Amino acid sequence: QVQLVQSGAEVKKPGSSVKVSCKASGGTFSSYAISWVRQAPGQGLEWMGGIIPIFGTANYAQKFQGRVTITADESTSTAYMELSSLRSEDTAVYYCARSFLLTTVTTYYYYYMDVWGKGTTVTVSS
Amino acid sequence: DIQMTQSPSSLSASVGDRVTITCRASQSISSYLNWYQQKPGKAPKLLIYAASSLQSGVPSRFSGSGSGTDFTLTISSLQPEDFATYYCQQSYSTPSITFGQGTRLEIK
Repeated sequence: QVQLVQSGAEVKKPGSSVKVSCKASGGTFSSYAISWVRQAPGQGLEWMGGIIPIFGTANYAQKFQGRVTITADESTSTAYMELSSLRSEDTAVYYCARSFLLTTVTTYYYYYMDVWGKGTTVTVSS
Repeated sequence: DIQMTQSPSSLSASVGDRVTITCRASQSISSYLNWYQQKPGKAPKLLIYAASSLQSGVPSRFSGSGSGTDFTLTISSLQPEDFATYYCQQSYSTPSITFGQGTRLEIK
């Protein structure tokens, strides 16, 4: 069974960047997408974006456009999420999740997220 | 973006109770609706996908229904391990995926 292993906790200064990794253990990304979801302390879940590794196509939530970059290395089954221009409001737990991809003739959907990493805590503080 | 509104925001119930959580979308999302359970300090866990399909390994006391804009998650007989926060999530407007604000289920 695939597990997603995320990199360790980070403490960053405002204005800097953070890059979090997510490695598929016990399998590959195959034909799935990888989503990134964050959760600020005491708050709900927020989808940031995702990537379809076999296509190399990344999609971003409008809120994070221009500030987040999601990449994937199929050879190592590892996805990355880089968030720049960090501010205190970016303090959160960042999760990667495998997204079942539903494709139609005209489009595709990040259908549901069935395997999740344990999360990476990112703290932004001066 | 499609807005997802859950009700109630919090709920107190007892072991053995039947519980229903509602999720409403701001526009029709067909059956592109999933439910997740999250316990403190843990990652979310998929319970129901495509509105009513039970994820493998999830107990049958969990069920989902609905289509269009109105959806429900039902727990037929609450167990101690079910006390958690539940989120709905729409995948209709990929890549603008959105979650509900969550429903916290507490022990009465």
